[in-house]
Amino acid sequence: DAKTTQPNSMESNEEEPVHLPCNHSTISGTDYIHWYRQLPSQGPEYVIHGLTSNVNNRMASLAIAEDRKSSTLILHRATLRDAAVYYCILRDLGGSNYKLTFGKGTLLTVNP
Amino acid sequence: DSGVTQTPKHLITATGQRVTLRCSPRSGDLSVYWYQQSLDQGLQFLIQYYNGEERAKGNILERFSAQQFPDLHSELNLSSLELGDSALYFCASSPHSGGVGEKLFFGSGTQLSVL
Repeated sequence: DAKTTQPNSMESNEEEPVHLPCNHSTISGTDYIHWYRQLPSQGPEYVIHGLTSNVNNRMASLAIAEDRKSSTLILHRATLRDAAVYYCILRDLGGSNYKLTFGKGTLLTVNP
Repeated sequence: DSGVTQTPKHLITATGQRVTLRCSPRSGDLSVYWYQQSLDQGLQFLIQYYNGEERAKGNILERFSAQQFPDLHSELNLSSLELGDSALYFCASSPHSGGVGEKLFFGSGTQLSVL
């Protein structure tokens, strides 16, 4: 599986935007970029995914670099409930990557 | 609430014992996945079942086995338990076979403590 690199931790203030980076320099043309998050004492939760174009949903936005070697998850206004570990994951369209391979993720702390 | 139900929430047992963890997927979902989360290893994929058949296998020990029943619920059996098996075990489900754009929905996990 292609690998992703994320900062171990980030800090933000409540009601401010948060930009969570992910590097995936070995991404292939058929890899989709998925983001999940895990709130304390809960299972992971789907956030967003994309291939080439930027994506928006009610939870977040995903900005994908033109060369696709990096992406950024954007939380437009962080709340205390957004404090979680955020995982950036690549899923291969062409292979049998039915599983999600989680790395260590980024621990996001949101300050009131 | 993801719609995925795992029981029990907590399980305490002794080394050498055998336990069964149960997972009910979201209504209509055909795939069930099992993950193990420990402090040192993070989230590790164990196994996936799709409509009753094993679909993908990850880092699952030979002492562990799983199955998916006709009603689509799944059980993870852990035997000859060791201290190192203490972890959070998550079940997830998805609508189909786990294609690239498919979302996984996770339960809240079973905390296994082996003493």
